[in-house]
Amino acid sequence: TQLLEQSPQFLSIQEGENLTVYCNSSSVFSSLQWYRQEPGEGPVLLVTVVTGGEVKKLKRLTFQFGDARKDSSLHITAAQTGDTGLYLCAGPFSNAGGTSYGKLTFGQGTILTVHP
Amino acid sequence: GAVVSQHPSRVICKSGTSVKIECRSLDFQATTMFWYRQFPKQSLMLMATSNEGSKATYEQGVEKDKFLINHASLTLSTLTVTSAHPEDSSFYICSARPGYEKLFFGSGTQLSVL
Repeated sequence: TQLLEQSPQFLSIQEGENLTVYCNSSSVFSSLQWYRQEPGEGPVLLVTVVTGGEVKKLKRLTFQFGDARKDSSLHITAAQTGDTGLYLCAGPFSNAGGTSYGKLTFGQGTILTVHP
Repeated sequence: GAVVSQHPSRVICKSGTSVKIECRSLDFQATTMFWYRQFPKQSLMLMATSNEGSKATYEQGVEKDKFLINHASLTLSTLTVTSAHPEDSSFYICSARPGYEKLFFGSGTQLSVL
């Protein structure tokens, strides 16, 4: 089973600061997704990266997929209090039986708290 | 966009009772749905894959007799936690995808077993 290592686990910053969250694996992923989850809610998809070296931007959020498709990063510029939440990276679930694109394996998550 | 509805959003039950959680795809048909479990401030762990018209596929370490899954129609999957105990208290989330589009998650069910 492919594992995703996400860091840091906790991030507490002031409004206006920049931050980066990392998602690493020893395995190659065909794609990686980033989700944001608020307490008591299900995860909401932010972006899917598919091509090695790909960079996608979503307003103040920049997502990058590593050239070897083993890692990804999420960078937030000028964080706002509304960015507070649990950020999760995820990739298609694979085991000895093959890859299922409907099942996801998740990183441990990064709890981001942005203080006013 | 596609919507996945989960019910109830919160349930409190006594130890030893069974609890049923429903997951519905509101505007698409889903032959496959997925059930995840999440502990506080932790990530999601895949429990099982629910297959319409056939038996669910459970991940390693998940007791199939404890977590009964039924996918009786193309829009509904249910997860029943049987003889619930306090250690079963958790946040349960389902997901489904219309065809090969992105995965949509339900809003989750917080189960508290007293």
